[in-house]
Amino acid sequence: EPEVTQTPSHQVTQMGQEVILRCVPISNHLYFYWYRQILGQKVEFLVSFYNNEISEKSEIFDDQFSVERPDGSNFTLKIRSTKLEDSAMYFCASSDGLAGEQYFGPGTRLTVT
Amino acid sequence: AQSVTQPDIHITVSEGASLELRCNYSYGATPYLFWYVQSPGQGLQLLLKYFSGDTLVQGIKGFEAEFKRSQSSFNLRKPSVHWSDAAEYFCAVGPMDSSYKLIFGSGTRLLVRP
Repeated sequence: EPEVTQTPSHQVTQMGQEVILRCVPISNHLYFYWYRQILGQKVEFLVSFYNNEISEKSEIFDDQFSVERPDGSNFTLKIRSTKLEDSAMYFCASSDGLAGEQYFGPGTRLTVT
Repeated sequence: AQSVTQPDIHITVSEGASLELRCNYSYGATPYLFWYVQSPGQGLQLLLKYFSGDTLVQGIKGFEAEFKRSQSSFNLRKPSVHWSDAAEYFCAVGPMDSSYKLIFGSGTRLLVRP
């Protein structure tokens, strides 16, 4: 069964450093998403991406964040200058249509020290 | 604004007992509704979804959920819980209108007593 994959599974970085989280969505999907889950809290939407551009973003997704689909298979989330409060589990998801269910990857746990 | 409420933070049931996890949503129209499960250290797995039609939907792992428009609820049920069902369960709504995002509830952690 096709699945969304994410690398790395765990990333430790120092405050102020740049990190790139990588995702490979399901191959025939057209819509891509990033969510995050701070420890013990609910899953929060960050951004959606369709047709090579951001279609929606949340208040959390400020200028420190960016997304890119550098080739036909990868979807990345970049945090330019990490803060302690960026420590969270980051989930990538993809869907085949606006009303389609979103399939989530296993997540990348980001720890900012 | 749309919102999802899961009123139970923790629920403990005995193995073999029945289970009902509550979910209420706030939205003007009928949204798309989902239940996801998250095992410790794992990602989110879709259990079931409701888009339209029959208000009782069947999912994987023996779960079902019933959409009740009058109560704005979408409760998850399982007739007999297994120890492996211990996990966190999230109700979600969306996409809706021109928004692509899913809005999640705060989750219910299920503990299963042997």
